[in-house]
Amino acid sequence: GDSVTQMEGPVTLSEEAFLTINCTYTATGYPSLFWYVQYPGEGLQLLLKATKADDKGSNKGFEATYRKETTSFHLEKGSVQVSDSAVYFCALSAVNAGGTSYGKLTFGQGTILTVHP
Amino acid sequence: DTAVSQTPKYLVTQMGNDKSIKCEQNLGHDTMYWYKQDSKKFLKIMFSYNNKELIINETVPNRFSPKSPDKAHLNLHINSLELGDSAVYFCASSSYSGRGFGEQYFGPGTRLTVT
Repeated sequence: GDSVTQMEGPVTLSEEAFLTINCTYTATGYPSLFWYVQYPGEGLQLLLKATKADDKGSNKGFEATYRKETTSFHLEKGSVQVSDSAVYFCALSAVNAGGTSYGKLTFGQGTILTVHP
Repeated sequence: DTAVSQTPKYLVTQMGNDKSIKCEQNLGHDTMYWYKQDSKKFLKIMFSYNNKELIINETVPNRFSPKSPDKAHLNLHINSLELGDSAVYFCASSSYSGRGFGEQYFGPGTRLTVT
């Protein structure tokens, strides 16, 4: 079945440090890939997405590139802020050959990020 | 305006009780979901309804019964609660189009504690 594997956390960084959170996936079909963020005590928010190979999703300084050859979708940010402290989830939604999604999100285990001033 | 809302936000109850969690969305979406997040933050889909019809039903004990009275509401009823049911339950919604299901919007979650 479909699965998503994220790097083990927690990740602790100083403000303005470079962030990478690794994500790899296995899926049948042609998945769309997502990064969601969960701030303390809140629900999940979509951070960015990519729907086909070599697409780059970006938002709020975060970026991730859909790499089909390595089945990866690593999240990066050049300079993190204290306000980026949250749990980050990589997820996929399987899509058939015609490009229609099935609607089911499969999540990675989440990576806790803490940024210190 | 709250897009996806859940009630209650916190629910503490004893083993063996029956409880319900309610979800409402005002986004005009036609598809709604329930996810369970365990103590290690792992998220897993439980159910999905499209236009009040069940379309995803993962391996969930039949003590869990979703009900969708209309497209804007999806409730989750849990019978005979067990300690292992303690988790945060998230509701989400999306729209279906010719390209399938769009981005999912999540509610704030309901933290269920079974004692």
